[in-house]
Amino acid sequence: SYVLTQPPSVAVAPGQTAGITCGGNNIRSKSVHWYQQKPGQAPVLVVFDDTDRPSGIPERFSGSNSENTATLTISRVEAGDEADYYCQMWDRSSEHRGVVFGGGTKLTVL
Amino acid sequence: QLQLQESGPGLVKPSETLSLTCTVSGGSITSPDYYWGCIRQPPGKELEWIGTVYFSGSTYYNPSLKSRLTISVDTSKNQFSMKLSSVTAADTAVYYCARQKEAAAGYWYIDLWGRGTLVTVSS
Repeated sequence: SYVLTQPPSVAVAPGQTAGITCGGNNIRSKSVHWYQQKPGQAPVLVVFDDTDRPSGIPERFSGSNSENTATLTISRVEAGDEADYYCQMWDRSSEHRGVVFGGGTKLTVL
Repeated sequence: QLQLQESGPGLVKPSETLSLTCTVSGGSITSPDYYWGCIRQPPGKELEWIGTVYFSGSTYYNPSLKSRLTISVDTSKNQFSMKLSSVTAADTAVYYCARQKEAAAGYWYIDLWGRGTLVTVSS
């Protein structure tokens, strides 16, 4: 089955830009989605279909997808952005279709 | 506004069956635009997809859980349910109900989550 690989942690100072990567074989041909999860809370969708933002999500959150890496970029990072971030795709290419999550990345705001 | 509410046992004994019910309120589970899913997260660990169901009854299961898993839908109650048999301590997790929406053709994402319910497997 398809595997999504994320770095365990990323650290960034307030006001700087954070990039969280999600690696996968030929991921450019997939549709990648991103979720933010704060402690004790359910995940929240922040980017879908590689680059789209749901209503209510700040423009500071953006996504991109090229070749073997999809990236969630958070500009002008704030303390409130500290959370775990997960990438996700729907694997429709294998015998066992379904949701695939990356292992998650903990974003620390220094 | 559509909401998802999980209801579960809280505590299940090893080797028994874990049952989780997800109630959809503020909308219909028979909407053709959505799938309905179950996801779990062991304490301090990553998200794990369990399975997905369509209102017609079509299902998709995580291969690692498939032999122990049944997901079904009850349109008369606007609910879907999950049963996981022969549980062990490794099945201890927060269990989430979720709504899945189609992005690009054939690709699905989760646009709505329930608040989650902790299920502990212990004797």
